[in-house]
Amino acid sequence: EVQLVESGGGLVQPGRSLRLSCAASGFTFNDYAMHWVRQVPGKGLEWVSGISWNSDRIGYADSVKGRFNISRDNAKNSLYLQMNSLGPEDTALYYCARVNGHYYDSNTYYVDYWGQGTLVTVSS
Amino acid sequence: QSVLTQPPSASGTPGQRVTISCSGSSSNIGNNYVYWYQQLPGTAPKLLIYRNNQRPSGVPDRFSGSKSGTSASLAISGLRSEDEADYFCAAWDDSLSGRVFGGGTKLTVL
Repeated sequence: EVQLVESGGGLVQPGRSLRLSCAASGFTFNDYAMHWVRQVPGKGLEWVSGISWNSDRIGYADSVKGRFNISRDNAKNSLYLQMNSLGPEDTALYYCARVNGHYYDSNTYYVDYWGQGTLVTVSS
Repeated sequence: QSVLTQPPSASGTPGQRVTISCSGSSSNIGNNYVYWYQQLPGTAPKLLIYRNNQRPSGVPDRFSGSKSGTSASLAISGLRSEDEADYFCAAWDDSLSGRVFGGGTKLTVL
C-alpha cells in the first residue's frame, strides 16, 4: 500500500525557515517523481514544487521561487521541502504527492497518491 | 485567484445528474490533459479522472470526464449522499511550467 507521511510543519514566525519531510513507503520511491502541493484550509490547491525521479529536473511555482528548495534522498525514501523567508501567505496544509512516472513536468503524468498533509502556520 | 476556473458550488438531489465545469486556456486545458480530484471533508484529495476521461480502478462509472477546447467537465450521475465533497480540476500549464488547479467546487447533495 502506498503511504506518504509528511512531517515538520508547525507555527513559525515571519522571516524564519522550516523544513518539511515526506516519508514514502509501499512503492519503489526512486521510480517516481514527486510534488509538493499546498492548500489553505477551505480553499483551493496550489502546486508548490516538483522533482523528477533522479533530481535532474526541478521546478517551482513563481510564488515560492528563490525561497523554497525541494530535494529527495532515494536511499532514505524521503522527500524534503526547505522553506526560507516564510510569510503569512505561506500558511497552508502542505501535501506530499506522488507522480505516476519519472518526470513531474510531463503532461501525461499526474498525481496518483497524496499524503495527509502537514500544517504550516506563519504568524508572529 | 486560481488559473483554472470552477463554479464555487453545485448541488443536486439523490439520483440526479450533476456536471461541474472547469475553464482554462490554450496553455493548459487547451493543449494538455485534464485531471479531476475528489476531496472528502477532512481528507486528502483522491484521483477521480485522469487524461480527460479515464477512470482509475475502483472509481464508479457514475463519474465521467470530458474536454472540449479550453474547457472540461466532470459529470456525476445517480448522485449519492457520499458524493458530497469538493472537486478540483487540474492540468499542466506550458506557460507557467507548472501544474495548475481549479479553485474547487463544493458539491452538496440535498
